[in-house]
Amino acid sequence: NAGVTQTPKFRVLKTGQSMTLLCAQDMNHEYMYWYRQDPGMGLRLIHYSVGEGTTAKGEVPDGYNVSRLKKQNFLLGLESAAPSQTSVYFCASSYSISSGKQETQYFGPGTRLLVL
Amino acid sequence: AQTVTQSQPEMSVQEAETVTLSCTYDTSESDYYLFWYKQPPSRQMILVIRQEAYKQQNATENRFSVNFQKAAKSFSLKISDSQLGDAAMYFCAYRKTSYDKVIFGPGTSLSVIP
Repeated sequence: NAGVTQTPKFRVLKTGQSMTLLCAQDMNHEYMYWYRQDPGMGLRLIHYSVGEGTTAKGEVPDGYNVSRLKKQNFLLGLESAAPSQTSVYFCASSYSISSGKQETQYFGPGTRLLVL
Repeated sequence: AQTVTQSQPEMSVQEAETVTLSCTYDTSESDYYLFWYKQPPSRQMILVIRQEAYKQQNATENRFSVNFQKAAKSFSLKISDSQLGDAAMYFCAYRKTSYDKVIFGPGTSLSVIP
């Protein structure tokens, strides 16, 4: 049971380049989330998904796209990277509230992204 | 909109002593969840403790306990017998029951002095 894993751990991009961050969870969680963490600002929600094939916008969705084609995977895409997207990205997953199980979010180890 | 405030950007505690981290939040909901997460230098986010708003009893987990004051919208974390491994960023977080987004506070950096 690996929990929540993220790929890659670190990446450097040039402005305008694109990339995809992969999040995978093996806990059969319905919900998955992408956050970004910047100094002094805590974690801010980018996008989230309440089930396979569904996604929704969080607090700071601009410049990002997501897809949830499989229940266990949640992809975060940057189509045209900007220096303002330099950050640490965390993926998280949880059971749904309606499942009756504890809905605590479990986090991945983070991806450090630097956009030059 | 819900907000979470942590008014102490940095705190320090002597090893084996007790420290309390403050958190206040703003919501118009009656049912919700509150969490404290710990983020050590490894950056992994680790759940420390959670509290359901409908429960009057304060949650405890070993050396960690909370003081939940619903009317005051306050949710402080007390760490007893502080250990060097407790040094980390601590985030207070709020989650509306019928909503699945978690709102995080800005964090408190805790240092433990040997």
